[in-house]
Amino acid sequence: DSGVTQTPKHLITATGQRVTLRCSPRSGDLSVYWYQQSLDQGLQFLIQYYNGEERAKGNILERFSAQQFPDLHSELNLSSLELGDSALYFCASSVGGGTGTLREQYFGPGTRLTVT
Amino acid sequence: TQLLEQSPQFLSIQEGENLTVYCNSSSVFSSLQWYRQEPGEGPVLLVTVVTGGEVKKLKRLTFQFGDARKDSSLHITAAQPGDTGLYLCAGALILTGNQFYFGTGTSLTVIP
Repeated sequence: DSGVTQTPKHLITATGQRVTLRCSPRSGDLSVYWYQQSLDQGLQFLIQYYNGEERAKGNILERFSAQQFPDLHSELNLSSLELGDSALYFCASSVGGGTGTLREQYFGPGTRLTVT
Repeated sequence: TQLLEQSPQFLSIQEGENLTVYCNSSSVFSSLQWYRQEPGEGPVLLVTVVTGGEVKKLKRLTFQFGDARKDSSLHITAAQPGDTGLYLCAGALILTGNQFYFGTGTSLTVIP
């Protein structure tokens, strides 16, 4: 158990819908990272928040947005869902969030999203 | 084209054999990490290498960071069924700081 929790574990929804994925970081961790993992694209970095502020942005679509709340939990919002958005979405957390050097990231168990 | 290419993509070996997984890029990284992921779970960090030419050993696993900081390798000695999983390298580019890139992955199966 990494100490990172994600809900829900599974989510099935229809195209065009909007969903929210939730992540609670390990106690004491200030950074939260979101990743998307699919068979054809592998593990792709979406976005990082550090202590409530956006710190880095990766291959995140405009239909997707995220935020980190004062209690440090984070939510990833996916809207206008398409079939291609079906994937595993992982959240990770780390203590720090500075530039340059990778931090030790602890991954949650993921949310499997299926868009039908 | 992925920034970090891993080879081989799939590897199936007998218990007790040795193997090496490669992680290559044309870009320079400030540091590289290796993760192992089991089905239905999130990746688990194995090691971080930060210095060009650095070699780290964790029991039967040996990790090396290339001198030019563009590549890395993972060598497993006397593989065991418990080593089965997806191995991923990951790095942060020197120029872009916090944006992380994961490799294409190597799926290892160790047959008892």
